[in-house]
Amino acid sequence: AQKVTQAQTEISVVEKEDVTLDCVYETRDTTYYLFWYKQPPSGELVFLIRRNSFDEQNEISGRYSWNFQKSTSSFNFTITASQVVDSAVYFCALSEGDYAGNNRKLIWGLGTSLAVNP
Amino acid sequence: DTEVTQTPKHLVMGMTNKKSLKCEQHMGHRAMYWYKQKAKKPPELMFVYSYEKLSINESVPSRFSPECPNSSLLNLHLHALQPEDSALYLCASSQAAWGGNTEAFFGQGTRLTVV
Repeated sequence: AQKVTQAQTEISVVEKEDVTLDCVYETRDTTYYLFWYKQPPSGELVFLIRRNSFDEQNEISGRYSWNFQKSTSSFNFTITASQVVDSAVYFCALSEGDYAGNNRKLIWGLGTSLAVNP
Repeated sequence: DTEVTQTPKHLVMGMTNKKSLKCEQHMGHRAMYWYKQKAKKPPELMFVYSYEKLSINESVPSRFSPECPNSSLLNLHLHALQPEDSALYLCASSQAAWGGNTEAFFGQGTRLTVV
């Protein structure tokens, strides 16, 4: 069965610290997709990244970076030089799919609440 | 700014009331979704519309009634709710016809309180 585990329930850091949010997934499919979403206190879920199972290249977007390792079934998210505006709940999610483009619903982790203190 | 707009932002309703939540997107997306989110939990999928047709109903009680009048609009009609239905209701849309492997874009949600 598919499953997403975010072991860190809450993390608190001081501004400018680097922080890594862990995400471990389980799936029996060879084709799947991984996502990260950010949910600030305002409530809106903000899409951050989508990665398919065949692309293990790490991704960097400004202060954000993602490390995808199939060998350990992990898709970790690092924020470099954290800022107060990064305070939010971060969700990792998994979806299984196929080449025909048939989609499946997202399996969500429980989220990690990140507090960045000034 | 979010391109998925939800109204109202907050709603308080009694258990005998009828109300509607509205969602609008102008990105030409083919799939639209309703999610329910309780505090400190991930979102739970309720309904999926694909090409304006209901594709998925995740065994949601009939007191929640979705409607998709056109490709840009999605409504959620509420009737005879229970206090445990109090939650954040999120609308989302995605480009692909119902989307696990394309990203979904979410609105800011409606915080619903049932009294």
